[in-house]
Amino acid sequence: TQLLEQSPQFLSIQEGENLTVYCNSSSVFSSLQWYRQEPGEGPVLLVTVVTGGEVKKLKRLTFQFGDARKDSSLHITAAQPGDTGLYLCADLTDKLIFGTGTRLQVFP
Amino acid sequence: SQTIHQWPATLVQPVGSPLSLECTVEGTSNPNLYWYRQAAGRGLQLLFYSVGIGQISSEVPQNLSASRPQDRQFILSSKKLLLSDSGFYLCACVSSSYEQYFGPGTRLTVT
Repeated sequence: TQLLEQSPQFLSIQEGENLTVYCNSSSVFSSLQWYRQEPGEGPVLLVTVVTGGEVKKLKRLTFQFGDARKDSSLHITAAQPGDTGLYLCADLTDKLIFGTGTRLQVFP
Repeated sequence: SQTIHQWPATLVQPVGSPLSLECTVEGTSNPNLYWYRQAAGRGLQLLFYSVGIGQISSEVPQNLSASRPQDRQFILSSKKLLLSDSGFYLCACVSSSYEQYFGPGTRLTVT
């Protein structure tokens, strides 16, 4: 069974700081996705990456996929309180397997 | 676009009582459907997934079961709830174009 470990588990930072969260898989990703989830709601897809070494940018968010397609990072520049939430990585195969999550709190 | 409906939105049930959560999908046909459970502040645990009517795969052995009586209907059930069944239950759909959608979730509290 594939395991997706995310780190750190919790992260509390001040507005304006930069941060990076990580996702590591026990096996090669088929298709890596990152989601953000707010309390009481379903996850919202941020990005899908497929190719090893791929880098995608979404405004202040930069997603990097490892060359071996077993790890990924999400970097947020100049974090804002609106970035607060639970960040989840996932692998889309015939099953959609989610990581353990990183809970981010950005204080104004 | 696709829409996923889940009900009820919240549920409080005593230990040992039965459970039935329903998920229906609009706007697509023959989707892959998923049931997840989420503990507070943690990732989603895949419980069941289905690639078609009557086809159910279980990921975690437990006292829950799932059924797919119609193409766009997915039901999560239990005969006797445990305290550990409390959590946030999410239904998800992956379309043939690999687009993912999540329902609004059901908050289940077992007392």
